[in-house]
Amino acid sequence: GAVVSQHPSWVICKSGTSVKIECRSLDFQATTMFWYRQFPKQSLMLMATSNEGSKATYEQGVEKDKFLINHASLTLSTLTVTSAHPEDSSFYICSARSEAQGLHPYNEQFFGPGTRLTVL
Amino acid sequence: QKEVEQNSGPLSVPEGAIASLNCTYSDRGSQSFFWYRQYSGKSPELIMSIYSNGDKEDGRFTAQLNKASQYVSLLIRDSQPSDSATYLCAVNQLKAAGNKLTFGGGTRVLVKP
Repeated sequence: GAVVSQHPSWVICKSGTSVKIECRSLDFQATTMFWYRQFPKQSLMLMATSNEGSKATYEQGVEKDKFLINHASLTLSTLTVTSAHPEDSSFYICSARSEAQGLHPYNEQFFGPGTRLTVL
Repeated sequence: QKEVEQNSGPLSVPEGAIASLNCTYSDRGSQSFFWYRQYSGKSPELIMSIYSNGDKEDGRFTAQLNKASQYVSLLIRDSQPSDSATYLCAVNQLKAAGNKLTFGGGTRVLVKP
């Protein structure tokens, strides 16, 4: 159980275009999903918290108009990188928090496999 | 002071030995603690969760928590080359809205055959 998928697994795009990344919880419902970014040899950096049915909460320094988040259902959140530039090239990873407290009492987060974005 | 601190390593361990990883955290209100394993180029994988002081064992892994010392550790027994990865310590801080996790920088472990 607790499987999270992401699509696409990798994407190469031209500078100035927009890229959408999907994050799905496959076998559980997730009121809350999280989006992280990871640059080579660095740790995870939380970008935003995605809440089903409400606006996302962005971390300090993360531009909400550039990184659009939509959490349309209890199993799907999307991250759109708008007007992507080479400095946006990174490994984007989502995670989902299980709401089944009896099964996951510690509010564990389960990660998707990640999306590697390369902006030319 | 970083909120969650780990030694970056690399921690070099002979195959079959015990790997000992340490993590300290600054927020005394933290309640849940996690160890994730991350292979190069892959996303993190949850390997241990711990909530109460003491030890928690799962297979070859043992997590140890000491809230008074604000310290959590991970022991890997009978280390195998496949254990070579970066291990991330993560802390769930109650004071943060949305149960956000704060990650340490990770400890790179190399298990040598």
